[in-house]
Amino acid sequence: GQQLNQSPQSMFIQEGEDVSMNCTSSSIFNTWLWYKQEPGEGPVLLIALYKAGELTSNGRLTAQFGITRKDSFLNISASIPSDVGIYFCAGLPFTGNQFYFGTGTSLTVIP
Amino acid sequence: NAGVTQTPKFQVLKTGQSMTLQCAQDMNHEYMSWYRQDPGMGLRLIHYSVGAGITDQGEVPNGYNVSRSTTEDFPLRLLSAAPSQTSVYFCASSYSGRRDAEPQHFGDGTRLSIL
Repeated sequence: GQQLNQSPQSMFIQEGEDVSMNCTSSSIFNTWLWYKQEPGEGPVLLIALYKAGELTSNGRLTAQFGITRKDSFLNISASIPSDVGIYFCAGLPFTGNQFYFGTGTSLTVIP
Repeated sequence: NAGVTQTPKFQVLKTGQSMTLQCAQDMNHEYMSWYRQDPGMGLRLIHYSVGAGITDQGEVPNGYNVSRSTTEDFPLRLLSAAPSQTSVYFCASSYSGRRDAEPQHFGDGTRLSIL
């Protein structure tokens, strides 16, 4: 199956700092998604990207669809304690109906 | 609007037992899927369905069966539970599974332990 490499695996940051994480694949993807998961809950969609080079914001979150179609990036500005959780990328290849997920980035925000 | 509802939320089974994890959605979504989430491995697709009467295998289908008799329901069956199936199971749905489809909405998960 497709491999999605997500980095970093974990981050410990001070409140107010900016956060960057990325996801890379071995093949070209048609769609990139970013989800956030909090303990005991299912993933919740943050941002969806459908075109190479697309830059989309959702409040303090900004995500980009890499020009090569093999990567995507998520940035969180001015982090706050409620940003704590695990962030997953997911991608949909050009062929097939299966989304592939990264292994997640665990974010801890220190007040 | 309930969205995606999974039952039960927790379950403990003995090796060899069978059970069905229930998933229902009230959004009239065509596409439904089951994932398992294990530590350090993200979410892996077990089975999916693009509409009533149509199912297909995902990345890790062995040991699991599914059926889709209605648009709303997509149960996942473990015929003979094994300790390796201890995991958190998520059901998800979206309007369509096509390439230009909207992203999936997830349920809150079923935490399953096999002893």
